[in-house]
Amino acid sequence: GAGVSQSPSNKVTEKGKDVELRCDPISGHTALYWYRQSLGQGLEFLIYFQGNSAPDKSGLPSDRFSAERTGGSVSTLTIQRTQQEDSAVYLCASSRARTGGETQYFGPGTRLLVL
Amino acid sequence: KQEVTQIPAALSVPEGENLVLNCSFTDSAIYNLQWFRQDPGKGLTSLLLIQSSQREQTSGRLNASLDKSSGRSTLYIAASQPGDSATYLCAASNNAGNMLTFGGGTRLMVKP
Repeated sequence: GAGVSQSPSNKVTEKGKDVELRCDPISGHTALYWYRQSLGQGLEFLIYFQGNSAPDKSGLPSDRFSAERTGGSVSTLTIQRTQQEDSAVYLCASSRARTGGETQYFGPGTRLLVL
Repeated sequence: KQEVTQIPAALSVPEGENLVLNCSFTDSAIYNLQWFRQDPGKGLTSLLLIQSSQREQTSGRLNASLDKSSGRSTLYIAASQPGDSATYLCAASNNAGNMLTFGGGTRLMVKP
């Protein structure tokens, strides 16, 4: 079946603009995760959803970052007033459940460059 | 706070060699540990997941072990091939939410 998809694959924006990144999880997966991969920080957790709710937002780096999930499926990560340090690859993953035994399946990522 | 470390950061071996990649974690109260592969410019591909109650998992030429008491996991690759060249990442899950804490990765180059 189809894997996790993300769009756009690449995004170049100017400092101060808002961007929206989209994630389509594997059908039927209830848990969805956002991670960020940058040269200086490696791969870091941002937020996860169980259904449409986000019990853990502890990884969001600032209040410029927000995310939502609708219908237990598609999720959008929004970055407001982008800064150059937001440049990174944003990865989305999904799993069948949020319990510790489930494999997370990752999408190809969105490469964000803030000029 | 969980910290995951991978050694070495980079490794270059001739084709056919058996090799071991190391992963260590500071908090032994993990739910599971996953090994991923990442090719340049691509996302992550899950290789193996070891539950906290397990000691090892095998898939083809790959074998991953887990020693919670010492805070270590190893990924063993048998008879390495040039197609194995990639970055290998380990990640530990510490809570019911299954949020993963990643190591910095090992960049593997297998030379023909």
